[in-house]
Amino acid sequence: GENVEQHPSTLSVQEGDSAVIKCTYSDSASNYFPWYKQELGKGPQLIIDIRSNVGEKKDQRIAVTLNKTAKHFSLHITETQPEDSAVYFCAASAGGGADGLTFGKGTHLIIQP
Amino acid sequence: EAGVAQSPRYKIIEKRQSVAFWCNPISGHATLYWYQQILGQGPKLLIQFQNNGVVDDSQLPKDRFSAERLKGVDSTLKIQPAKLEDSAVYLCASRGQGKETQYFGPGTRLLVL
Repeated sequence: GENVEQHPSTLSVQEGDSAVIKCTYSDSASNYFPWYKQELGKGPQLIIDIRSNVGEKKDQRIAVTLNKTAKHFSLHITETQPEDSAVYFCAASAGGGADGLTFGKGTHLIIQP
Repeated sequence: EAGVAQSPRYKIIEKRQSVAFWCNPISGHATLYWYQQILGQGPKLLIQFQNNGVVDDSQLPKDRFSAERLKGVDSTLKIQPAKLEDSAVYLCASRGQGKETQYFGPGTRLLVL
């Protein structure tokens, strides 16, 4: 089955700086890669996603890149703000998102004022 | 539109007792998922329904866990008997037909003593 590795487990950055979280996946059949943000006591919320036929996608301060050959994908957050503090999860799925998601272990992002 | 609803939000039981969780997906969403999220880890898929049929239950511990979605809308997940290692947050998610995004509920936090 699919295995998703996520690094780092904790990331502390100064407010205004950029943050990068990296993930690798094992199953070459995976073709849908969402990123979720989870705040304390809440369910995961989708922040951005990318399909395997696209190399990069941006949405304001958030961008995701995908390297299919290396089976790597990364989340980039620019101009970080205090409200960006949360746990971020990468995930992978075959079947274009129709299948269940395999999640990484999460990255606790801390924005230092 | 209303999000995914789950109840109860919290549950404390003793080992060997039974417990049930309820999920009401977003209106019109045919696909429903149950995930287990152990503290410090990413969610793990337990079971996926398409309408009232099971699509994937390969990671469901069937000796103690069961789930149903009788009318293709609400779903219940049951654990009988519970073990200490079942302490986790149980998340329900739903997805619209032909769409990729899975929307998560707030989860039910279970503590087994």
